[in-house]
Amino acid sequence: SQQGEEDPQALSIQEGENATMNCSYKTSINNLQWYRQNSGRGLVHLILIRSNEREKHSGRLRVTLDTSKKSSSLLITASRAADTASYFCATGTSGYSTLTFGKGTMLLVSP
Amino acid sequence: ETGVTQTPRHLVMGMTNKKSLKCEQHLGHNAMYWYKQSAKKPLELMFVYSLEERVENNSVPSRFSPECPNSSHLFLHLHTLQPEDSALYLCASSQDLWGAPNTEAFFGQGTRLTVV
Repeated sequence: SQQGEEDPQALSIQEGENATMNCSYKTSINNLQWYRQNSGRGLVHLILIRSNEREKHSGRLRVTLDTSKKSSSLLITASRAADTASYFCATGTSGYSTLTFGKGTMLLVSP
Repeated sequence: ETGVTQTPRHLVMGMTNKKSLKCEQHLGHNAMYWYKQSAKKPLELMFVYSLEERVENNSVPSRFSPECPNSSHLFLHLHTLQPEDSALYLCASSQDLWGAPNTEAFFGQGTRLTVV
């Protein structure tokens, strides 16, 4: 069954604005990861947050995790046209060998 | 460049053909994966290998046959495919299986497969 679900499905903003994407999941997790995918290419790992962490930063990225609500958010600050891509969340679950992905949020950043 | 290389990048094949997709990683990772990405669908896990042994097979049709001859290489052999099998096929690797707390995935660029 699908674990992570991103919201919104698509987001269109102007350069310089912040972009926020949300992810909800259903079961207990070991970690939650965010990935970026440029059109027709492979996924690139952005950030991993463990289940005992609440917030993590990496450059212009900020990820939060609320295990009580089974949700996470990815904030991209001061967005750039190069941030245009699809963003996926994925959950790693103990005792389960796979990483389960959602359908992704398609972000369009216009100059 | 993630360290995971897939070849070919594009493949067009007829329904009666036999072809193979190749994935290679020299990251020293123990786990390798095949995913299928179709338009407007979540990534679908196809196969998982850990230390060259298949640990998961998600009800994939037998026209897809994986092979992991060593920890650095993973193949997906294709035969008698259908047009609906057209998709982006992604290979990934990780240090350990993704149940481990800090394991992240490294993806190849994918093979865009078109079945005609």
